[in-house]
Order: sequence, then structure tokens, then C-alpha cells
Amino acid sequence: GQQLNQSPQSMFIQEGEDVSMNCTSSSIFNTWLWYKQDPGEGPVLLIALYKAGELTSNGRLTAQFGITRKDSFLNISASIPSDVGIYFCAGQLRSGGSNYKLTFGKGTLLTVNP
Amino acid sequence: SQTIHQWPATLVQPVGSPLSLECTVEGTSNPNLYWYRQAAGRGLQLLFYSVGIGQISSEVPQNLSASRPQDRQFILSSKKLLLSDSGFYLCAWSVRPGEQFFGPGTRLTVL
Repeated sequence: GQQLNQSPQSMFIQEGEDVSMNCTSSSIFNTWLWYKQDPGEGPVLLIALYKAGELTSNGRLTAQFGITRKDSFLNISASIPSDVGIYFCAGQLRSGGSNYKLTFGKGTLLTVNP
Repeated sequence: SQTIHQWPATLVQPVGSPLSLECTVEGTSNPNLYWYRQAAGRGLQLLFYSVGIGQISSEVPQNLSASRPQDRQFILSSKKLLLSDSGFYLCAWSVRPGEQFFGPGTRLTVL
């Protein structure tokens, strides 16, 4: 099946630092999504991107839909301890149909040292 | 507003026992529903999805089955659990392309 290459797999940063993670694919996606998962909980949708080139912010988070439709990045500015968790990218294929299935990356584990 | 519930939150079952996990959605009609499994805190594997009552699509061959007896109810079942069925099971819903919203999950441990 389709795969998203998400990197890095893990990050260890100091509080206050900026963070950047990205996802790439060999396929074209109509939609890119970024989720955050806290331990023992379900993923929470952070940002949804629907147009190539779109740049969207949600507080300290900024995400972009790559112009080729094959990649996306997520930036977190001025990280704080509660940013700790696993961040997933997800995409919906252009030919996805009405089942709205998503393809997920394997996640980036973020650790923030106070 | 829409909410999604899963129960139980935690379950410990012996090998060979049956399983029934339930997911319900409130505040929306005719959602697409999904079951995922997450092993070792990483990687979401889509197990089943449903676009309507009684319509189930399986993504991977496995020991589990799914049913959708009502519009906003999705059930994950097994007749005989295996050790490899242990994991974190997540239900999700969607009513438009490109967005899915997840429930709180069920932690299943098979001993």
C-alpha cells in the first residue's frame, strides 16, 4: 500500500527551541493532516491542509502543503514541555474515493527537556 | 458538537477468549467509521472501515472482525484472541474527505 516517509523518527530538544518535521510521499495527496498523540490517548487533529502551497498556522504550530502535493512539513516554535508526544502526518490520496481513508506516517516522537 | 466514545478503556483477556470493543459517535449522521490498531505506541494500522450500516471493508487479513449494527455504532470482535492481538485500538469517524477524528482508544492486553 501507500507509504508516507516521516522524519525524523525522534527528536530531543530543549524547551524554547523550534522544531521541524516533515513527510514525503511518492504519490500525490489531496489533503495533508497533522496529528498529535499524547501517551495513552487518541491522536488529536492539529492542522488540516487542502491546497498545494497552503501555509496554515495554529498557535505556535505552522504546517505547509508542498507545492508538488507530495510532501508537507510541520514547525513548532518556542517548544514547551507539553509539546511532548508523537506527531503523525497523514494524507488522503487524490483517488481516495468516498471512504476517506488516510495514509499515516510512522510518527515523530518529540521529547522536550525543561 | 461531535463526540466519540470507546469502551472499555482497558481490557486484559486470556488467549483464546472472545473480544468485543465498542465505538459510538454522537452529534453526526452517516459518518464513515474506522478501526485502527497501534502497536508499541507507534504506527497506526487501519483494520476496518465502514461507509454505512452493515458495510464493512477489511484492510488486512487477521483474527478480528467488525460490524456496524447502527449508523453510529462500530464494533470490533474476535472469537478467539491471540497474543498478537494485544495493542491499542482506536476508533475514528469522518464525514468529509481528509479529516478523521479519533476516540480515546482501548488498551488490550492478551495474556
